[in-house]
Amino acid sequence: AQSVSQHNHHVILSEAASLELGCNYSYGGTVNLFWYVQYPGQHLQLLLKYFSGDPLVKGIKGFEAEFIKSKFSFNLRKPSVQWSDTAEYFCAVIPDGSSNTGKLIFGQGTTLQVKP
Amino acid sequence: EPEVTQTPSHQVTQMGQEVILRCVPISNHLYFYWYRQILGQKVEFLVSFYNNEISEKSEIFDDQFSVERPDGSNFTLKIRSTKLEDSAMYFCASRGAGAQFFGPGTRLTVL
Repeated sequence: AQSVSQHNHHVILSEAASLELGCNYSYGGTVNLFWYVQYPGQHLQLLLKYFSGDPLVKGIKGFEAEFIKSKFSFNLRKPSVQWSDTAEYFCAVIPDGSSNTGKLIFGQGTTLQVKP
Repeated sequence: EPEVTQTPSHQVTQMGQEVILRCVPISNHLYFYWYRQILGQKVEFLVSFYNNEISEKSEIFDDQFSVERPDGSNFTLKIRSTKLEDSAMYFCASRGAGAQFFGPGTRLTVL
């Protein structure tokens, strides 16, 4: 079945460590890609998005993601995490065919815990 | 910064009762959405709404569900006869600048 997969369910890092969260999707055609973050007690917030163009996308708070079409991947990275990055991270895709309606398909989320 | 708001934050209801979840999207947005997240599961798309009609809906969005934009600001999700399995967090979103902006969610508990 077509889906969005986040392979890391729970990641624990120390402050200043580098972060990479994996996201793979199984939709063909043109897709729009997103990473959202949900800090404890808060709502989902957009970190970054990719529609077309440069496959390396920079978002807020020092996050970036790279779209690799051949691997159907859109991994999230940050060179040096902070304690305040502790949150749940969601990868999401608008599949080809839903570009007008904007239906988002989410991965299962990755909980990131950063130890001070 | 404009935000999507949702009320109530938590709704407890008895099985078989009707519930209405309310959302106020960002004012200049034209596309509206409902998603839900059952505890421990993925965030799932329910329905998208544009120009006063449903533009896409999922298999979950059966005849028990309906959406409405009763005035220029509110966007509601109605569940006619709630089931235990409807217990979930329900998120409203509106779209602008190519991305969806989410509300804080309503936690629905069906007893």
